[in-house]
Amino acid sequence: DSGVTQTPKHLITATGQRVTLRCSPRSGDLSVYWYQQSLDQGLQFLIQYYNGEERAKGNILERFSAQQFPDLHSELNLSSLELGDSALYFCASSPGVGQRETQYFGPGTRLLVL
Amino acid sequence: AQTVTQSQPEMSVQEAETVTLSCTYDTSENNYYLFWYKQPPSRQMILVIRQEAYKQQNATENRFSVNFQKAAKSFSLKISDSQLGDTAMYFCAFMNGGSGNTGKLIFGQGTTLQVKP
Repeated sequence: DSGVTQTPKHLITATGQRVTLRCSPRSGDLSVYWYQQSLDQGLQFLIQYYNGEERAKGNILERFSAQQFPDLHSELNLSSLELGDSALYFCASSPGVGQRETQYFGPGTRLLVL
Repeated sequence: AQTVTQSQPEMSVQEAETVTLSCTYDTSENNYYLFWYKQPPSRQMILVIRQEAYKQQNATENRFSVNFQKAAKSFSLKISDSQLGDTAMYFCAFMNGGSGNTGKLIFGQGTTLQVKP
């Protein structure tokens, strides 16, 4: 158990809908990262938050957004869902700003868009 | 832009044998970090081993060790005394370590390893 929690574990929804994925980092970790794992794209970095502020952005679609709250948990919002958004979404955390740090991953949320 | 390549989509090994998974990367940076993560059928991402580019000594964690060849930009993972529980997909990952950089991990495509009894 990495100490990173993600909810829900599974999510099934329809095209055009909006969902919210939640992540709680390890105790004491200030950075949260979101990654998407799909058959087409592999594992891709989406976005990083550090202590409530966005720190880095990767291949994140405009339909997707994220935030980190004062208690350091983070939410990834996916809207206007398409079939191609079906993937495993991971959250990871690290103690500081990220460079040089090992990231510990949560169990992931499996999203299926029908 | 940095890239990570794992050229072996699938590999298999007999239990108790040794297997080596390959990884190459491309970067112009001198300060970086390399990782191997394991993803078993449960889909959890588990850190296997980490290597700092400034360290010449190869990292070792129990039965797992790496062969880090900085000049060749190669970072292979050796699993000794393979166990059935080692069956998983293995991902090689790169992180730029220079100041001002973030913790973004760049992953390879993965190698599926099957350990046979």
